Amino acid sequence: SSELTQDPAVSVALGQTVRITCQGDSLRSYYASWYQQKPGQAPLLVIYGKNNRPSGIPDRFSGSSSGNTASLTFTGAQAEDEADYYCNSRDSSGNHWVFGGGTKLTVL
Amino acid sequence: EVQLVESGGGLVQPGGSLRLSCAASGFTFSSYWMHWVRQAPGKGLVWVSRINSDRSSTSYADSVKGRFTISRDNSKNTLYLQMNSLRAEDTAVYYCARENNLDDAFDIWGQGTMVTVSS
Repeated sequence: SSELTQDPAVSVALGQTVRITCQGDSLRSYYASWYQQKPGQAPLLVIYGKNNRPSGIPDRFSGSSSGNTASLTFTGAQAEDEADYYCNSRDSSGNHWVFGGGTKLTVL
Repeated sequence: EVQLVESGGGLVQPGGSLRLSCAASGFTFSSYWMHWVRQAPGKGLVWVSRINSDRSSTSYADSVKGRFTISRDNSKNTLYLQMNSLRAEDTAVYYCARENNLDDAFDIWGQGTMVTVSS
C-alpha cells in the first residue's frame, strides 16, 4: 500500500498530553517525518527519523514508531501547537513519497 | 540564511503550460535531493516529484507522470517544475522542499507559489 492514514481531527486540553498516529505499510520499512502547518504558512518539519527534532522545535514534541504505525506525541500541549499535522514517508516502492491526509489538532 | 523561494505561478487555461522555479540560497544546493509538493485549496499535502542531487534520477506521482518534468540547474542553485497539459485538478499551491541527507525528511520549505488552472 502507498497510503498513510491519519485521524482527521484530534483535540486536547491545554497542558495535557495527546498522541497523533499515522498508519501505513511503508512505515514498516521507512521512518515517518512529521510536519506542522498553520493557516497560510508553509509546512514546518517537527520530527524526523527515529525521534529527532530540528533546531528550535520544543522538546514537548516527540516521535515513536511500532510496526506499521508512527506517532507524534505532544507532552503538555500549548495553544500555539494548534495546527494541521501531516506525516510523510517513502512509499513501499521506495521511489515515491506519500503524505498522510493530515490531522487537525485543536487545543481546548 | 537557508532559504527556498518559488516563483512562476499564476492563472493558466486548461491544457496550458507553466514553469515553476525555486531559487535556493544559504546552503550547498548541489548536495541535496529536492522535491515538489502541492496543496489544493483547503486540502492536504500531496507529493509531486523529486530529483536527486546530480540530476541522474527523478520520480513522479502517478497523477502528474508524463505531464510534469522536474529539473535543476546546480550552477544557478535553482529547481524547476515544467507543467504541461494542465488540468483543473492541478490547481494548488506548489512548494519546493529540500530533503535532508538523513531519514528522508523535508527540512526546508519554500513559501509556495499558487497555480490556478481555469478558463
